[in-house]
Amino acid sequence: QKEVEQNSGPLSVPEGAIASLNCTYSDRGSQSFFWYRQYSGKSPELIMSIYSNGDKEDGRFTAQLNKASQYVSLLIRDSQPSDSATYLCAVIASGNEKLTFGTGTRLTIIP
Amino acid sequence: GAVVSQHPSRVICKSGTSVKIECRSLDFQATTMFWYRQFPKKSLMLMATSNEGSKATYEQGVEKDKFLINHASLTLSTLTVTSAHPEDSSFYICSARDGGVNTEAFFGQGTRLTVV
Repeated sequence: QKEVEQNSGPLSVPEGAIASLNCTYSDRGSQSFFWYRQYSGKSPELIMSIYSNGDKEDGRFTAQLNKASQYVSLLIRDSQPSDSATYLCAVIASGNEKLTFGTGTRLTIIP
Repeated sequence: GAVVSQHPSRVICKSGTSVKIECRSLDFQATTMFWYRQFPKKSLMLMATSNEGSKATYEQGVEKDKFLINHASLTLSTLTVTSAHPEDSSFYICSARDGGVNTEAFFGQGTRLTVV
């Protein structure tokens, strides 16, 4: 079982709709969770970090964490074509200092 | 967010030569830096974890004598690809984190290495 799993996509969403990206992780003791956005040919850019169960909102982005079910999600409201990118879920497992990345979900916003 | 600067952004070198990539944290002190490589349409692969003033910790399968990492100060880590081969061509990215284990990691712009 992979440590961090994401649906590779591609996920296509109409402009203005809500894009929902999901991620599951295997280490139940994980404490820190991150979403990164990566445009083609560029390095990852941090969008959100979340550490506690529940929702965390920042502008059009909402991260949701459910430690009991071991999943973390990212919602993008009012999707824009500029949101088209690969979204990487990353987790810091317990007793570990390094980020473990999922394989990423490629998101395409259709105008 | 914090700024991490990576240089050069793009480099082409001949087989057998060495290439040095620099990663600097511009507005914070990075106690830990990480080096990744990424092949096209693949996810990031962690190569090594670099702690200031100590030896880097390499991931399994990464040759430490080929990928030399130096983290001599709290704002600078370097990755040197020695005796480069065409199969070393890849996108190399560093990230840096300040403070404790759970703080956010910020990425440099990446270095596109092409070995000819």
